[in-house]
Amino acid sequence: ETGVTQTPRHLVMGMTNKKSLKCEQHLGHNAMYWYKQSAKKPLELMFVYSLEERVENNSVPSRFSPECPNSSHLFLHLHTLQPEDSALYLCASSQGQGNQPQHFGDGTRLSIL
Amino acid sequence: DQQVKQNSPSLSVQEGRISILNCDYTNSMFDYFLWYKKYPAEGPTFLISISSIKDKNEDGRFTVFLNKSAKHLSLHIVPSQPGDSAVYFCAASLISGAGSYQLTFGKGTKLSVIP
Repeated sequence: ETGVTQTPRHLVMGMTNKKSLKCEQHLGHNAMYWYKQSAKKPLELMFVYSLEERVENNSVPSRFSPECPNSSHLFLHLHTLQPEDSALYLCASSQGQGNQPQHFGDGTRLSIL
Repeated sequence: DQQVKQNSPSLSVQEGRISILNCDYTNSMFDYFLWYKKYPAEGPTFLISISSIKDKNEDGRFTVFLNKSAKHLSLHIVPSQPGDSAVYFCAASLISGAGSYQLTFGKGTKLSVIP
């Protein structure tokens, strides 16, 4: 499915670096999400944006900073990450926030050295 | 404390037979349930969903059953095909205190369909 595109697909960074993950959706949806999937753990919701406003922050450390400039784009800015932040980061979008399926991108595999 | 549990990490089924994937949940406030399929190096793909007011939803070879009293749902795939080999995630939705709908996922079950 190419409706939700994430870049880069892989990222290796040091703990002092600053980088950003990008997500773009072409589905006309108005809600976007960031998830984290660590090894042997279920997907964990990080942030929810609805109509470009952040409506949920699930106790995510401040070294992760989301940005939603418009309904089609979502960024996750990273700085001074820790080795335990190495994971697959998935972006998703949905039409509205009601009980609608979320559509996922293919994720960014992040490795912190 | 996992609210959505998929107790079988893996399942092997012969091609043409039925695959049954199970999911249990603990929070009675969940009101919408979904199944996603994930191939390696790809994101999860939405498969089928069911509202808590129903007990069955069917879409082609895929049927989801919901037993609210047991807090249990299952996904039936019949007949199973080799292309169904993937990891299947169960997810449950409820509205948070902030007013947003949040999905809680299970850890997944890896289905292998043997030709």
